[in-house]
Amino acid sequence: KNEVEQSPQNLTAQEGEFITINCSYSVGISALHWLQQHPGGGIVSLFMLSSGKKKHGRLIATINIQEKHSSLHITASHPRDSAVYICAVRSGGSNYKLTFGKGTLLTVNP
Amino acid sequence: NAGVTQTPKFQVLKTGQSMTLQCAQDMNHEYMSWYRQDPGMGLRLIHYSVGAGITDQGEVPNGYNVSRSTTEDFPLRLLSAAPSQTSVYFCASSFLSSGTHNSPLHFGNGTRLTVT
Repeated sequence: KNEVEQSPQNLTAQEGEFITINCSYSVGISALHWLQQHPGGGIVSLFMLSSGKKKHGRLIATINIQEKHSSLHITASHPRDSAVYICAVRSGGSNYKLTFGKGTLLTVNP
Repeated sequence: NAGVTQTPKFQVLKTGQSMTLQCAQDMNHEYMSWYRQDPGMGLRLIHYSVGAGITDQGEVPNGYNVSRSTTEDFPLRLLSAAPSQTSVYFCASSFLSSGTHNSPLHFGNGTRLTVT
């Protein structure tokens, strides 16, 4: 079973700050997902990546396959970015099962 | 295009009662899955399906049944509810991309279930 660790568990930032959330996993994967969940809300897929880097607006996701590590960056953070960010990995081969981290609660204060 | 639709949004059951959580998607996704989300724990996979007529167990399948008679629908059945099944349940679907089986996940809005 792939173990997925996220850090930090909780993060408080001031509006405008650069945010980094980390995800480490223990076994080789075929893909890694970053998800966003607003309080009391549904879950939205932000990124799916298997190598390199992806950017969408102020969000950037990177992955280092050799180090089994991914980061989610938020530039110029805003209070509306306050949410739980969840990392999930799909192990290699024909394994359709996802393993999720426990999430990082981000609070951005105005 | 409704995406992934889950019903009901809220449900209260008594121990021993049965119920079905509904999940439907209109995106022609092959892959559908059910997760439960509990405080302090990550999302955990209950059951999943890679196509009509095909289902398999996830990490926490006990107490739950599923079936996949059509591509669109993937209901989750609780045969005899227990307090330990109090949780928030999410359904998710995606395409199964050829080769890597990777595709963004689309989640329903969740069902908050309380078993007393």
